[in-house]
Amino acid sequence: GAGVSQSPSNKVTEKGKDVELRCDPISGHTALYWYRQSLGQGLEFLIYFQGNSAPDKSGLPSDRFSAERTGGSVSTLTIQRTQQEDSAVYLCASSLSVLAGGYEQYFGPGTRLTVT
Amino acid sequence: KNQVEQSPQSLIILEGKNCTLQCNYTVSPFSNLRWYKQDTGRGPVSLTIMTFSENTKSNGRYTATLDADTKQSSLHITASQLSDSASYICVVTILTGGGNKLTFGTGTQLKVEL
Repeated sequence: GAGVSQSPSNKVTEKGKDVELRCDPISGHTALYWYRQSLGQGLEFLIYFQGNSAPDKSGLPSDRFSAERTGGSVSTLTIQRTQQEDSAVYLCASSLSVLAGGYEQYFGPGTRLTVT
Repeated sequence: KNQVEQSPQSLIILEGKNCTLQCNYTVSPFSNLRWYKQDTGRGPVSLTIMTFSENTKSNGRYTATLDADTKQSSLHITASQLSDSASYICVVTILTGGGNKLTFGTGTQLKVEL
């Protein structure tokens, strides 16, 4: 079956503009995660949607970052007033269960964001 | 200081040789530890996942070990192939009051050459 898909694959934007990144998780996966991977850095947790519960937003770096998950499926990560330090690869993952520790996370290919 | 430290940061080996990557962690309480392989421009792909009670887990030419007492894990790659060239990431899951959280290491960049 289809894996996790993300769009766009690449996004170049000017500083100060808003961007939206999309993630389509694997059908039936109740948990969805967003991560950021900056050049030379490890994966940084951003936000975690756990079924119908309130999302864990503890990793969002600033209030310019927000995410929503509509209908328990597709998720959109929005970055407002982008800054150059927002340039990174944004990865989305999904898993079968809201129990992040027990179930495998499947990653999408990522969206490479470049802020000029 | 990162709570999940990996070493070496990068490694170059010849095709056919074996290698071992290290992961030391300080996070607790521990739930499980995973190793991921991430090819350039791609998302991470899971290699192994081990719980507290498991000491070793194999996946083809990849064998992971875990010592929960010393909080160390290793990933051993046997008979390396050119396609093994990638970043290998160690991920530790901890238990929190709000659920489980994943902490990622910065990875080891492996290059396999002819």
